[in-house]
Amino acid sequence: DAKTTQPTSMDCAEGRAANLPCNHSTISGNEYVYWYRQIHSQGPQYIIHGLKNNETNEMASLIITEDRKSSTLILPHATLRDTAVYYCIVRAQGGSEKLVFGKGMKLTVNP
Amino acid sequence: DTEVTQTPKHLVMGMTNKKSLKCEQHMGHRAMYWYKQKAKKPPELMFVYSYEKLSINESVPSRFSPECPNSSLLNLHLHALQPEDSALYLCASSLAKGTLLLYGYTFGSGTRLTVV
Repeated sequence: DAKTTQPTSMDCAEGRAANLPCNHSTISGNEYVYWYRQIHSQGPQYIIHGLKNNETNEMASLIITEDRKSSTLILPHATLRDTAVYYCIVRAQGGSEKLVFGKGMKLTVNP
Repeated sequence: DTEVTQTPKHLVMGMTNKKSLKCEQHMGHRAMYWYKQKAKKPPELMFVYSYEKLSINESVPSRFSPECPNSSLLNLHLHALQPEDSALYLCASSLAKGTLLLYGYTFGSGTRLTVV
């Protein structure tokens, strides 16, 4: 599966949009981009995933560039409860059953 | 029911003890997973069960013994652990092979294990 690169950390003001970048320059055509987050001392939580089109759900939006080499997770109105480690993961369709976490990015939402 | 329930939430055990971690889900998921997470590190996959059969063992030491008695339950039996095995143990489930990619994994809140 392709590797991803995320910043180590990011701050965001409460009520503002949080834009979390992820680079996956070696992504293959059949690989999906997944986002999870882990709030302190809890299990990871699925947020959203996409292949090539932009996706939106009740939690967030996922913007994938046309060349699919990078993506951005958008939390439209960040709250203090969004403070967490965010993981961008790329997985191949029909690949192994593994979900492998990278180092992730710590998002801190400040009052 | 859209949850994965793990018990106990906290466990302290001696190096000579035998204990078990339990994971339960009633979402009809046929794939279940154990992950281990050390402090300030990402979760690391340990085992994968698919349709109650062990399909992946990530070279985990034999002092960790998984068991999947039915499609809703996953156990992790612990014996002769070392202090460095202290960690958060996470269970997850998902729809089975072939549909995994279309749906996210659901994780439990974990068992915080301390080996003394």
